[in-house]
Amino acid sequence: GESVGLHLPTLSVQEGDNSIINCAYSNSASDYFIWYKQESGKGPQFIIDIRSNMDKRQGQRVTVLLNKTVKHLSLQIAATQPGDSAVYFCAENKGPGWVTGGGNKLTFGTGTQLKVEL
Amino acid sequence: NAGVTQTPKFQVLKTGQSMTLQCAQDMNHEYMSWYRQDPGMGLRLIHYSVGAGITDQGEVPNGYNVSRSTTEDFPLRLLSAAPSQTSVYFCASSYRGVHYGYTFGSGTRLTVV
Repeated sequence: GESVGLHLPTLSVQEGDNSIINCAYSNSASDYFIWYKQESGKGPQFIIDIRSNMDKRQGQRVTVLLNKTVKHLSLQIAATQPGDSAVYFCAENKGPGWVTGGGNKLTFGTGTQLKVEL
Repeated sequence: NAGVTQTPKFQVLKTGQSMTLQCAQDMNHEYMSWYRQDPGMGLRLIHYSVGAGITDQGEVPNGYNVSRSTTEDFPLRLLSAAPSQTSVYFCASSYRGVHYGYTFGSGTRLTVV
């Protein structure tokens, strides 16, 4: 079946190091991907997105890489800070319908807990 | 702007009781949706709406009803609560279009005993 999953449930990094959070997706028709950050007791917060016609997109301290050949998505956080400690979710849009407003086709992964050690 | 506002933040229900989870957004977003989040599982879509007067079912719609009479509001109704509906519920909204991520509310933690 279609699924979005994360390779590592928990990732611990030292403050100042770079973090890499991975995500595998199984639907080759997915055309849009989003990374969310969720802090304890809060709703998910949009971090960065990428369309399927792109391989890489950069934001402030974050980079998303998309490898459609192996259906893999990653989120890189540069110079990880204590405030980055949270659960990170990837989500994929399953394709046509979103642009025309035909429906919500986002599927979310289960999440990776990022712990930043001082 | 308040963004997406959910009320209440916490709720305990007895099995069989009914209640409505409120969601309101002030960003003029066309798209609104409800998710539930359970331990060890990703967010699962319950119902969604692409505009006022239009709703549709998501992945796990059973036991829930929605309506969208205005652009701003998208309430989620539990007609007869069951313990299996114990979860954290999130409302989200966005502009319609492929390049927009959702804005989520802060969630409602519901316990059904």
